[in-house]
Amino acid sequence: QVQLQESGPGLVKPSQTLSLTCIVSGDSISSGNNYWSWIRQPAGKELEWIGRIYTSGSTDYNPSLKSRVTMSVDSSENQFSLRLSSVTAADTALYYCAAGPNPYYFDYWGQGTLVTASS
Amino acid sequence: EVVLTQSPATLSLSPGERATLSCRASQSVGSCLGWYQRKPGQAPRLLIYTASERATGIPARFSGSGSGTDFTLTISSLEPEDVAVYYCQQCSSWRTFGQGTKLEIK
Repeated sequence: QVQLQESGPGLVKPSQTLSLTCIVSGDSISSGNNYWSWIRQPAGKELEWIGRIYTSGSTDYNPSLKSRVTMSVDSSENQFSLRLSSVTAADTALYYCAAGPNPYYFDYWGQGTLVTASS
Repeated sequence: EVVLTQSPATLSLSPGERATLSCRASQSVGSCLGWYQRKPGQAPRLLIYTASERATGIPARFSGSGSGTDFTLTISSLEPEDVAVYYCQQCSSWRTFGQGTKLEIK
């Protein structure tokens, strides 16, 4: 069973870069068994898919966020990361990492981490 | 962007009753649709994928149907532990989610 745990600062200043890491257990991130994604949910709004990365390093990003998003994989630490640049208050949300063997759905989720963009 | 509209926003039923949750897409998504359950304080859990396939370990009382633009999640006989918010998600054009249906048990 794959388990995911998000980590990172809970507070980011506007215009700065949000950085989160998802620690993976129960599977090797380099196995190729799963696709690794980030999803967020601002308070009172829908879940929003941010993007995904595969073992090979190939990525797909939500077009609405593509210009500000970078995802990466660290096989040695068995984790993957999200960087979102030039944050504003609109980026305040509960951020989840998620994964699944099928690129279309999300079988495994972390508990989520709240990130607030505020000075 | 494919917009998913879920109805009703809130559903309040008694144990043993049948729950019917709707998800409508702004354009056809074929059968590329999933349903998730999120209980209070927990992460979402995948219930249904490809519109009607139950995910591993999901009880048989959960079923999905539909294709194109109209989809339904049915819980045949409600249990108290089914209290949750239910989300649909499409995978035909990138990934988008509905706004959720909150299921309450009377």
